[in-house]
Amino acid sequence: QKEVEQDPGPLSVPEGAIVSLNCTYSNSAFQYFMWYRQYSRKGPELLMYTYSSGNKEDGRFTAQVDKSSKYISLFIRDSQPSDSATYLCAMSVITGGGNKLTFGTGTQLKVEL
Amino acid sequence: EAQVTQNPRYLITVTGKKLTVTCSQNMNHEYMSWYRQDPGLGLRQIYYSMNVEATDKGDVPEGYKVSRKEKRNFPLILESPSPNQTSLYFCASSSPPLAGGGTGELFFGEGSRLTVL
Repeated sequence: QKEVEQDPGPLSVPEGAIVSLNCTYSNSAFQYFMWYRQYSRKGPELLMYTYSSGNKEDGRFTAQVDKSSKYISLFIRDSQPSDSATYLCAMSVITGGGNKLTFGTGTQLKVEL
Repeated sequence: EAQVTQNPRYLITVTGKKLTVTCSQNMNHEYMSWYRQDPGLGLRQIYYSMNVEATDKGDVPEGYKVSRKEKRNFPLILESPSPNQTSLYFCASSSPPLAGGGTGELFFGEGSRLTVL
């Protein structure tokens, strides 16, 4: 069993839809949770991060963490064609050392006009 | 502009021909790492470096070498490439971790697509 599971999609939605992207994990030591967005032929870039259970909002994006269920979500409101990308969840244990992230395999999202 | 620069972006080579993928960052980050990205497997860490002259294996280090002689550079070396090393490679550097007052954000290069025939 992988430490982080993520549905690969592809997920196709109409413009303006609310999108829900999800990851589950098995390592209860994970404390730090991130979402990266990766456009085609580009490197991933950080979209949001959180290190506690609950919700965190940034514009049209909301990250949700439920540590009791080992489940994290990313919600995109009023989705736009420019949101079409692969979304990667990532998580790590907080240490004083480096930042070894464990990534999900990514969900490919397409927002259609 | 803060960035991680990888070269080459695209490379086709043959089995056994040594190659080096260079990586340079201009953010003065101590932590750097290499990942490979494969369909269905996601991003997997190859090697990482906590600082100059400090490197360590990640999850899939077999067939790769790295060096960190300067803070800004972290080259990935394939001494004898094989077809199973055909992949998309990413170099990343990281801001200090949460415990160090940062966010631990990874900054990725644009990727190097390697094909080994």
